[in-house]
Amino acid sequence: AAGVIQSPRHLIKEKRETATLKCYPIPRHDTVYWYQQGPGQDPQFLISFYEKMQSDKGSIPDRFSAQQFSDYHSELNMSSLELGDSALYFCASSDRTADWAFFGQGTRLTVV
Amino acid sequence: EDQVTQSPEALRLQEGESSSLNCSYTVSGLRGLFWYRQDPGKGPEFLFTLYSAGEEKEKERLKATLTKKESFLHITAPKPEDSATYLCAVQAYSGGGADGLTFGKGTHLIIQP
Repeated sequence: AAGVIQSPRHLIKEKRETATLKCYPIPRHDTVYWYQQGPGQDPQFLISFYEKMQSDKGSIPDRFSAQQFSDYHSELNMSSLELGDSALYFCASSDRTADWAFFGQGTRLTVV
Repeated sequence: EDQVTQSPEALRLQEGESSSLNCSYTVSGLRGLFWYRQDPGKGPEFLFTLYSAGEEKEKERLKATLTKKESFLHITAPKPEDSATYLCAVQAYSGGGADGLTFGKGTHLIIQP
């Protein structure tokens, strides 16, 4: 069965650089969520989109932005990267008929 | 602010030794309580959703229960492949949908052969 696809799987950036993470939801899923998970931490909700509109906003820094495109894929744009941004970034998708979300395998971002 | 507290932080069991994981929560209107399993370096894998007190759900060796203040994940006769971090999360009912989950810090479960 198709799963949530995230790219890249690994990314190394220097401080103050920018990064773009991509998420391709499961086909026919219209909702995308972004989470950040630091080492040994629980996933922290960043932002969600439903039908290409922002739906809910969590602890997303102002340096980050995200959007959902017409094909339902989503991108998380991160600017002025800091060492503390190093984490696993998960994307999850769902449709409105299910309350649970399917998570991707994550993008591991390392800021050096 | 929604809060989720899981205990214990870590649990080591012998194969076949049953036990329970606890998830205490505070939420302004519970839409759903979720249990996920997470293996190192991988995305959380959905296990259960519970919606109202008294509800129970089972899957293989796992059974999740819900009260108004906490949820339990019971694991019966666990096997080494059940070793993982088990995450509990809540979603508040805001009426808007697509609301993010608030996760607990998880219980790191190790099943020794």
